Amino acid sequence: DTGVSQDPRHKITKRGQNVTFRCDPISEHNRLYWYRQTLGQGPEFLTYFQNEAQLEKSRLLSDRFSAERPKGSFSTLEIQRTEQGDSAMYLCASSLKLRGRISNEKLFFGSGTQLSVL
Amino acid sequence: GDSVTQMEGPVTLSEEAFLTINCTYTATGYPSLFWYVQYPGEGLQLLLKATKADDKGSNKGFEATYRKETTSFHLEKGSVQVSDSAVYFCALLEGGKLIFGQGTELSVKP
Repeated sequence: DTGVSQDPRHKITKRGQNVTFRCDPISEHNRLYWYRQTLGQGPEFLTYFQNEAQLEKSRLLSDRFSAERPKGSFSTLEIQRTEQGDSAMYLCASSLKLRGRISNEKLFFGSGTQLSVL
Repeated sequence: GDSVTQMEGPVTLSEEAFLTINCTYTATGYPSLFWYVQYPGEGLQLLLKATKADDKGSNKGFEATYRKETTSFHLEKGSVQVSDSAVYFCALLEGGKLIFGQGTELSVKP
């Protein structure tokens, strides 16, 4: 399977614990995105990378959230001191941005990690 | 900032009925526009896109036209099938990222 894969599919944690999610993008894709989706809502942008550089981070993202893409391949999203409001589906997507091209590239999404904070 | 508004769901139709899902956007420029679809148990996938005014995106019998005058990108299909049951998301490209609407659930009954 050469699609975007996310691990784990489900995570249940207690409030105050730290959690980390992993995303493996399509291998030749240089851009990687993290989104959060709650029931009945559209995906909400969190952050994105081009190769290993984090280009943008949403102002809605608190300091408890951190994302990395150390070698420009897979990425991790860590949430520290989880709160019940962090319960959501965390989506990863990747795309190929060609140099000099207008950004209208197609995003490929993974199936997401469902986080439940008790 | 830029935003997208979709019609409320859920939308329930009988097979072979005509579908319209409304989408309007607010943007400072002329962003590329997209419809993504999420089938039950699957990840989001691109359905169609349009990159400039008056462009028509189409795929799998679905169509949407980029209307600059009305800042709209309504999704249409002439004859829906049970297999079209899914959640549909309208989105625009702002900078390097997609901004999504809240989604519209479509349920097609045989």
